[in-house]
Amino acid sequence: NAGVTQTPKFQVLKTGQSMTLQCAQDMNHNSMYWYRQDPGMGLRLIYYSASEGTTDKGEVPNGYNVSRLNKREFSLRLESAAPSQTSVYFCASRDPGPQHFGDGTRLSIL
Amino acid sequence: TQLLEQSPQFLSIQEGENLTVYCNSSSVFSSLQWYRQEPGEGPVLLVTVVTGGEVKKLKRLTFQFGDARKDSSLHITAAQPGDTGLYLCAGYGGSNYKLTFGKGTLLTVNP
Repeated sequence: NAGVTQTPKFQVLKTGQSMTLQCAQDMNHNSMYWYRQDPGMGLRLIYYSASEGTTDKGEVPNGYNVSRLNKREFSLRLESAAPSQTSVYFCASRDPGPQHFGDGTRLSIL
Repeated sequence: TQLLEQSPQFLSIQEGENLTVYCNSSSVFSSLQWYRQEPGEGPVLLVTVVTGGEVKKLKRLTFQFGDARKDSSLHITAAQPGDTGLYLCAGYGGSNYKLTFGKGTLLTVNP
């Protein structure tokens, strides 16, 4: 079972470029999440989708947008990347019970 | 905003030693979870504690939820190099959808 799949695994962008991070889960989960993880900061919630058709802001939503394309897929978009958005991004899903995480996208913005 | 404070932030010990990691908050959580994360991977759930005073054991790992449901601890007995990793506590507070994470404890167990 693949679980939660994130693409790409690594990406380098220049300041001002745009990019979409993809996430797909094959567990038929209703809820999906996007986090960022920075050194010494733990995981911080960017956006979440409690169910298909709904999205809500988390702790650090500024500079990001999301789309819940269908039950399986939840994408995160950076419209104009900034160096402060250099981080490791994790997608997760649950329904209910524990959150299942992907292996992350390592994003560097120069 | 509900915060979870983890301590210590870093812990380096020798194989065979015991250790305890703490997760504290001024807020009440309906449940607390402990995750373990290895380099290059996402966090993986170890345990969920729900009832105040609850104690759960997972082989050499013992998890405790405080009576007031504001704090939790993780105790590892006779640590092994395979226990090396980042340990994160997380809790659902006011929302059943939003999980708040502590900043983590980076554990290194040296052979």
